[in-house]
Amino acid sequence: AQKVTQAQTEISVVEKEDVTLDCVYETRDTTYYLFWYKQPPSGELVFLIRRNSFDEQNEISGRYSWNFQKSTSSFNFTITASQVVDSAVYFCALSDLTGNQFYFGTGTSLTVIP
Amino acid sequence: NAGVMQNPRHLVRRRGQEARLRCSPMKGHSHVYWYRQLPEEGLKFMVYLQKENIIDESGMPKERFSAEFPKEGPSILRIQQVVRGDSAAYFCASSLWDLKETQYFGPGTRLLVL
Repeated sequence: AQKVTQAQTEISVVEKEDVTLDCVYETRDTTYYLFWYKQPPSGELVFLIRRNSFDEQNEISGRYSWNFQKSTSSFNFTITASQVVDSAVYFCALSDLTGNQFYFGTGTSLTVIP
Repeated sequence: NAGVMQNPRHLVRRRGQEARLRCSPMKGHSHVYWYRQLPEEGLKFMVYLQKENIIDESGMPKERFSAEFPKEGPSILRIQQVVRGDSAAYFCASSLWDLKETQYFGPGTRLLVL
């Protein structure tokens, strides 16, 4: 079965701290895509990253970095030097290569305290 | 390039009324997906449509819910005889044919059933 687990429901950090959001997934597919989305208080969903299961290289984009470990079925997201604007709910998601359906985790609510 | 548009952003209905949610995909996108986000939960897939076709409606409740994506105009998610449990945020996403693994989300419609 396809499933995404984000065990951290809420996280609070003080500004400038680093924070890692965990994502663990289950899938019967050998190839798949993993995603992270940000949902700020305004409510829309913002696409952050898509990662193909073929590619286990870690990725860095500014203060954001992602650690994909196929052996542990994890796709963790780290924000370095957090800022108040990072406060949002972050969703991890999984899809097969058809992209017909996405499976979302329940989200991690991040609060960055000034 | 305008993003995915959804309207209305907020919708209030009394029990038993009908709710119509509209989604205009990004320009050039031919695939539309609807998701529901219940309070304190992650997004749940509802339905996947291409122009004039429902591809996958496995996430749609069997009764009262329907979706369409006509040749011209926006995609419509229709909820008949709404009940309090339908109160949620409904998100629409769209994707290109050959990049349908990457879905771009609209701002959502928040439905409140009184």
